Amino acid sequence: GAVVSQHPSRVICKSGTSVKIECRSLDFQATTMFWYRQFPKQSLMLMATSNEGSKATYEQGVEKDKFLINHASLTLSTLTVTSAHPEDSSFYICSARDARGNYGYTFGSGTRLTVV
Amino acid sequence: KQEVTQIPAALSVPEGENLVLNCSFTDSAIYNLQWFRQDPGKGLTSLLLIQSSQREQTSGRLNASLDKSSGRSTLYIAASQPGDSATYLCAAEPLYDFSGYSTLTFGKGTMLLVSP
Repeated sequence: GAVVSQHPSRVICKSGTSVKIECRSLDFQATTMFWYRQFPKQSLMLMATSNEGSKATYEQGVEKDKFLINHASLTLSTLTVTSAHPEDSSFYICSARDARGNYGYTFGSGTRLTVV
Repeated sequence: KQEVTQIPAALSVPEGENLVLNCSFTDSAIYNLQWFRQDPGKGLTSLLLIQSSQREQTSGRLNASLDKSSGRSTLYIAASQPGDSATYLCAAEPLYDFSGYSTLTFGKGTMLLVSP
């Protein structure tokens, strides 16, 4: 089945620095990938939709200059948290869909970001 | 706007019990209904996907049903085991809109604890 790989699984960074999270579709091409954020004991909140070769579409309230998304190839999307602050600490998860069939959505294993 | 509700929010059962998790959605114009499992600090694992034309899907001890007309889906877990302890999320995927892609609407999840 479709596999989405997400790295790193955990990252700790200092306030003011930037962190890049990678999301790769391993055995299929994904023209569209999705980035979610999850707070403790909460469900997933869609942040943005990443489109290969074009600009990402951000959900209302999500700062596009803080959360930079690049989808440069059909198998890789990256989320960069710029000038990170402690309030950016969260669990970030990416997702993609294998368009070759109706298999639903596949999710990465998530990235736990801690900003100190 | 689609809204997905999951009941109960938490459930604790002894090992061996059969149990039912409920999911309801307000907009019946869905493409798929997908059930996921999330272990603490991990990403989402897809359990079952029910297409809008289907009534149910089965995988091992899991059975998911879909009733679009009433806006309900249930996840049945037979002979529960401690390893089934996790948060279970249901998500509704709408029919494609004019933009060509769609995003999932998640419920808040049911946290299941199966005690030995």
